[in-house]
Parts: sequence; structure tokens; C-alpha cells
Amino acid sequence: DAKTTQPPSMDCAEGRAANLPCNHSTISGNEYVYWYRQIHSQGPQYIIHGLKNNETNEMASLIITEDRKSSTLILPHATLRDTAVYYCIVRVDGGYQKVTFGTGTKLQVIP
Amino acid sequence: SAVISQKPSRDICQRGTSLTIQCQVDSQVTMMFWYRQQPGQSLTLIATANQGSEATYESGFVIDKFPISRPNLTFSTLTVSNMSPEDSSIYLCSVFTGPYEQYFGPGTRLTVT
Repeated sequence: DAKTTQPPSMDCAEGRAANLPCNHSTISGNEYVYWYRQIHSQGPQYIIHGLKNNETNEMASLIITEDRKSSTLILPHATLRDTAVYYCIVRVDGGYQKVTFGTGTKLQVIP
Repeated sequence: SAVISQKPSRDICQRGTSLTIQCQVDSQVTMMFWYRQQPGQSLTLIATANQGSEATYESGFVIDKFPISRPNLTFSTLTVSNMSPEDSSIYLCSVFTGPYEQYFGPGTRLTVT
């Protein structure tokens, strides 16, 4: 699996958009970008994933650059409950593949 | 989706003893994964457990230290053997319910004294 680089921490004001970047410059053509988050003392939670097109679901939006070497997770209106560690992962799909976690970004949403 | 429960949720154990952690899923799944999260660290994959076959361990983890059972498609156990304080971690099980959907249990917080 390709490695990812994320800033160790970020702050975001409550109600504003939180934009979390991820670099994955060695991503392969068949690797997807996944985002998870881990709220304190809980197991990680799947957020969103994509291959090359931008994706949106009820939780977030994922913007992947055209060269696929980086991506941004967008939480459109951050709340205090979004305070968590966010992990960006790239992996080959084809089902049921093991996932390797990096160090993630600790997002602190500030009132 | 999948609902995953783990037992115990937390435990404090003495050095040299063993603890068995249970993971129960509310649906049948092919593969289950066990992760360790040491204090302040990210998740590290310990092993992959398939029903009916031996678990596959990642580099740095061995069966003698972390034996795993997978008796059926909804249940697995991870044993942390001959514990030392370095084993103090959160242990999480995880499953895929489809090619993309991965779910994690709430974790078992282990403290070894």
C-alpha cells in the first residue's frame, strides 16, 4: 500500500468548513483513497472513499487532485462532535483488504 | 452496516498472565482483523483471521504471543499471552461487510501492571 502524509494537527472553528489534506504521491492507479476518523476512546469510523472522482456523502466530501497525488477531506460545517483523529489511507480494492493506518491528523473543533 | 461488540471493554492485568478478548459481530463475515493501538499511537494490524484456517500474522506479531481463534463467521478471540507492561494498549477487532465497508469494534483497553 502507498504511504500517506498528513499534518499532525489542525484547528477549526465550529460551524466553519474543516479541510483536511493528505498527500499520497506514490499512489498506484488501482489504489483508492479512504478516510476514517477515530473519536476519543472509540473504534475508527469509516467516512468516505474515492478513486479519482470527487465524492460526497452525508458526512463529508472528498476532493482528489487530477494527478491523484493528494486529496482533501471536507467537513462542511464542523461541530464539536467532529473533534477526532482523521486517518487518510490508500489501498488496493478488490474487497476485504487489510488496512494500514498512518498517524493521522488530530482535528480540534473550537467553539 | 455491522454492529461489533468486544468483551471485556477494559481490564487491568498482572504481568505474566494472559487475557482473552472476545469479538462478536451481528452478521456473518469472512475476514476479521485484530488491531493494536498503543497509547498515543495509530493502529497497528496484528493479524487477519479467517474462519476455518489459521490466522495470518503481520511482521512483529507471533502466534505464541497472540493466539487467535475463529470458530465461526460471527466470532473471534484474541489472547494476549504472558503479558508485560508493553502490551498495555487498546485492542480492536474489525470486519468488512462488503468490499469497501469496514467497521471497528469499540476496543478493549488493557493495562498491564
